[in-house]
Amino acid sequence: DIQMTQSPSSLSASVGDRVTITCRATQGISNSLAWYQQKPGKAPKLLLYAASILQSGVPSRFSGSGSGTDFTLTISSLQPEDFASYYCQQYYITPPWTFGQGTTVEIK
Amino acid sequence: QVQVVESGGGVVQPGGSLRLSCAASGFTFSDHGIHWVRQAPGKGLEWVAFIRYDGSSEYYADSAKGRFTISRDNSKNTVYLQMNSLRDEDTAVYYCARTLYGAHDAFDIWGQGTMVGVSS
Repeated sequence: DIQMTQSPSSLSASVGDRVTITCRATQGISNSLAWYQQKPGKAPKLLLYAASILQSGVPSRFSGSGSGTDFTLTISSLQPEDFASYYCQQYYITPPWTFGQGTTVEIK
Repeated sequence: QVQVVESGGGVVQPGGSLRLSCAASGFTFSDHGIHWVRQAPGKGLEWVAFIRYDGSSEYYADSAKGRFTISRDNSKNTVYLQMNSLRDEDTAVYYCARTLYGAHDAFDIWGQGTMVGVSS
């Protein structure tokens, strides 16, 4: 199975900061990667798929990049509503569909 | 409104059974595969099971194999997850999620989740 590792596990940032979260796969997954945002007590929400395609309705301050084994989620200017947990997920070799362990973005 | 809504959660004793339902509306249900994903308290997301759009194939996480069965009724726009031989470690919020239509298998629509508790 492909394992996904995110870093950092948590980070503290201020409104307006540029935030970067990385995700690494244990083997190449082409661009078959999605990013999700989850707020406490809520369902996950799809932000990006195919590593860099923004899901409809997602603000353009979110962007993704990468291919193969290394991927990045960037929030260009952190907004109050962006404080949440973020998960990467690979769908290149399935089953299983595997998630990273998550990154919590907290208010500094 | 495009949505999926889970139901059927509850508290059961170890070894017990539950059947979760995922009711879809607002889209052509038979065009989409459906996944179940769970999240234990304070933990991350864990994929559990998947069924293809036409019910022709099912896939399970190792933790679910032999105990859980996913099925669908396209005439009722509903997917089910039959969970037997439940264990303490199955305690989680269970989400159903729709697969994105097309080549990329991301999960684009999620329900609000249903809580399953396994405790004696």
